[in-house]
Amino acid sequence: GAGVSQTPSNKVTEKGKYVELRCDPISGHTALYWYRQSLGQGPEFLIYFQGTGAADDSGLPNDRFFAVRPEGSVSTLKIQRTERGDSAVYLCASSWTTSGGGNEQFFGPGTRLTVL
Amino acid sequence: AQKVTQAQTEISVVEKEDVTLDCVYETRDTTYYLFWYKQPPSGELVFLIRRNSFDEQNEISGRYSWNFQKSTSSFNFTITASQVVDSAVYFCALNFGNEKLTFGTGTRLTIIP
Repeated sequence: GAGVSQTPSNKVTEKGKYVELRCDPISGHTALYWYRQSLGQGPEFLIYFQGTGAADDSGLPNDRFFAVRPEGSVSTLKIQRTERGDSAVYLCASSWTTSGGGNEQFFGPGTRLTVL
Repeated sequence: AQKVTQAQTEISVVEKEDVTLDCVYETRDTTYYLFWYKQPPSGELVFLIRRNSFDEQNEISGRYSWNFQKSTSSFNFTITASQVVDSAVYFCALNFGNEKLTFGTGTRLTIIP
C-alpha cells in the first residue's frame, strides 16, 4: 500500500515569503506528526494531530508556524514570514492509535525547505 | 522531560566486522517505548524495532540484535557481520503513549568495503 507522501520534495523560497508543506498520511492512520530535521541532527517534534485536532503543538517554535488537518487526513504545515533559520527538512509521520500507544510511526520522505 | 543520548557521532568499521551503537535514555515515565530507526542516504526514516518498558528480553532479527537494560537505561543495537548496505545514520528514539518521538542526535555508521 501507499506510504506517507509529502509535497513538494524541495522548496526554495525567499526570506519573508509564506510557504505551505503538505502531508498525505497512510490511509486510516488517525495520528499525524510533523518533525523538523536540521543538518546533522535528529528529527525534532513540531506538532501532533489526533484526528482533526492538534493534541500537542508544544514543538512549534513560534507563531509563524501553524498546521491544520481539517478532515482528519491530509495535513498542511504553514510557515509565515520565513527566515533563513527555518531551512531544514520537514518530516511528516503517521500511525495507528491504540490505547496502549507506542505504535510505529511511518515517516514520509520529507520536504527540504531552503530559505534564501 | 525525556532525553535520548547517542554519544557516538560517527563510527567506521570494515565490512564483516560487528558493530554496536549505543543509546542511553532518560524518562520519568514508568511506561514508555524505545525505537531504532535507520536513515539511509536517500533520507527516509525506516523503522527497525520497538520495545516497551516492561519487556527487557533481548531481540534478534537476522544480523541485527538489541540489548535493552532498564538498570542502565540503555537500548543498544548490534549489527553482526556488517555489510556496505548497513551504511546509514541510525537514530534511537523514545516516546510515551501515542505521543511525539524524542530522538537522539544519531550515529553515522560507515561500512568500509
